[in-house]
Amino acid sequence: AQKITQTQPGMFVQEKEAVTLDCTYDTSDPSYGLFWYKQPSSGEMIFLIYQGSYDQQNATEGRYSLNFQKARKSANLVISASQLGDSAMYFCAMSPRGNAGKSTFGDGTTLTVKP
Amino acid sequence: GAVVSQHPSWVICKSGTSVKIECRSLDFQATTMFWYRQFPKQSLMLMATSNEGSKATYEQGVEKDKFLINHASLTLSTLTVTSAHPEDSSFYICSASPTGGTRSNQPQHFGDGTRLSIL
Repeated sequence: AQKITQTQPGMFVQEKEAVTLDCTYDTSDPSYGLFWYKQPSSGEMIFLIYQGSYDQQNATEGRYSLNFQKARKSANLVISASQLGDSAMYFCAMSPRGNAGKSTFGDGTTLTVKP
Repeated sequence: GAVVSQHPSWVICKSGTSVKIECRSLDFQATTMFWYRQFPKQSLMLMATSNEGSKATYEQGVEKDKFLINHASLTLSTLTVTSAHPEDSSFYICSASPTGGTRSNQPQHFGDGTRLSIL
């Protein structure tokens, strides 16, 4: 069984500052994928970034980077230079290798960017 | 990029009505699609895996007769909430990945979701 834990129900950040959203996971699968999604108030799920369990380097996608610490089973999302449009709910998710669709999601973190 | 269309976006109907929600992959084929349910401010809970040409696989605790899933083609899955009651009110969202994309690094592509309100 897979489990994702996001311990921050809500986070605040000042515009243009960086923010880290925490995610820890638990799995017995030797190979897995970790994802971050953004869900604005309108409801759609937007894929942000992916990290494979065997990837040597931390993933980066524009202003998003994933701080992957395999030994600690953590996959924190770092958003640099926060923008007002970043205010949304953020979900960390995990999928077993070979079954990309069947993901387990964390409870989410609501990020509010202050002007 | 891959696009998943979900229809309708909003449904308000009376208790006892059956409601059908469609999930279409517009520019790719998907042998498997997924249906999630989400309560306000909560996580996505996987309800079932929709399999093209065969029966859906339901997660534990999900009533098969309440939530009927049909995946008749490689681009369309439907979720029918039968005899809906107020407790079925929720946000339902589908997702899919292109067929052959079994690599775990392929993200799910989500529909925009359906807000279902049962009066």
